[in-house]
This record gives sequence, C-alpha cells and structure tokens, in this order.
Amino acid sequence: QVQLQESGPGLVKPSETLSLTCSVSRGSVYSSSYYWAWIRQPPGKGLEWIGTIYYTGSASYNPSLRSRVTISVDTSKNQFSLNLRSVTAADTAVYYCARRGTIAPQSWFDPWGQGTLVTVSS
Amino acid sequence: SYVLTQPPSVSVAPGQTARITCGGSNIGRKSVHWYQQRPGQAPVVVVYDDNDRPSGIPERFSGSNSGNTATLTISRVEAGDEADYYCQVWDNSGDIFGGGTKLTVL
Repeated sequence: QVQLQESGPGLVKPSETLSLTCSVSRGSVYSSSYYWAWIRQPPGKGLEWIGTIYYTGSASYNPSLRSRVTISVDTSKNQFSLNLRSVTAADTAVYYCARRGTIAPQSWFDPWGQGTLVTVSS
Repeated sequence: SYVLTQPPSVSVAPGQTARITCGGSNIGRKSVHWYQQRPGQAPVVVVYDDNDRPSGIPERFSGSNSGNTATLTISRVEAGDEADYYCQVWDNSGDIFGGGTKLTVL
C-alpha cells in the first residue's frame, strides 16, 4: 500500500515562501496511472484543494491560489513539492499530500498523508 | 465557480440511519466522493464514484446521487462513526470540497 509523508518547516514568516515536500514510499510518482495532489485545511475549517501534478510535471492549480503556487515533481527522489509564495496568516493550515485514486481527473483522493501543520507568524 | 453545500451538523442515535446531503447544481451529472475525517486524522474515502465503497469500508456506508443532491447514508450508526464528513467533486476549474458535516452520535 503506497504511503505518503509530508515534511517541511512548521513555522513560516509572513510574506515568505512556504515549502513542503511529500515523500512517496511503497509506490512511485513516476507512474502514468496517478496524479498527485496538495490539499489544505485551516484550523477548525474545511478542506481546500491546492493543486495536482502528473509525473511529467504538468500541473493544475486552484484558481484562487494560482498566482502564488507552484507544485513540482522529482521522480529521482520519488517526491513532489509545494511552494506557496507571499504567505499570510490566512495560509495557516494543515497541509496534506494525496494521490488520486485513478488517472481520471474526476477520481477521488486516496491515500492521504498524515498532514503537517504550517503556521504563518512572525 | 462550482459550490457544494452541506449541512453543518447531523445528529443521530446509535443504531439509527444518518443521511448527509451534498447539494450542487446538476451534481447528479458528476462523480461524488465522500470522506470521513476523525479528529486529528487525515480524511479517508468511504464512498467514491457516487456509491462505491473501498475495501475495508463497512457496507453500512452507501451513497446516492441524483439531480441537485448527493447523499451519504450510514446505516446502523455506531459511536465510532462520529466524525466530519466531506463531499468532493471535480469541476473544470479543479477539485471542489463541500464545507463538511459534523456527525454527532447521541
């Protein structure tokens, strides 16, 4: 069963860049069968899709975040990463990485990583 | 942009049936997925493609989708079902989640 694990700083200063990495084990990001995603959840609030990437590097982003987000994939390290620029307190959230269930764009997310809390504060 | 509307909360007694709705324009034309999120844990899919269950998810969990409403039904509710539930669809602009419903087992 594929496993995903998020890693990165738990505290980021306002106006700086939030950078997270998702390490994939017992599976490969270099797969034509799946997309890989980032999803976040502010404390006490609901889920928000950030973006999705394919092993080729082709990515799609939430329109509300597109101007600040870059998702990349490193097949040699079996990882994919999230960069969110110019962060504010509103970007404080638990950040999850996840895999789509199938190659279809309308498919579900499974599995998810355990999530990592990132707090934006000076 | 596409919007999914869920009731903030649903309460049900143990052994009864819980129904959690997810409203959206012509949602019946989309594939709807449902996630369970227990406190402090990552979401887990409990129903995908409207009414399919992943292996390991009890048969008590089922889904339906028609018109402008999708529904997650949990039969014979147990204390362990108490959690937040989210619906999700894919739209041309990307993935959309409902606001979530807190299921309370009385």
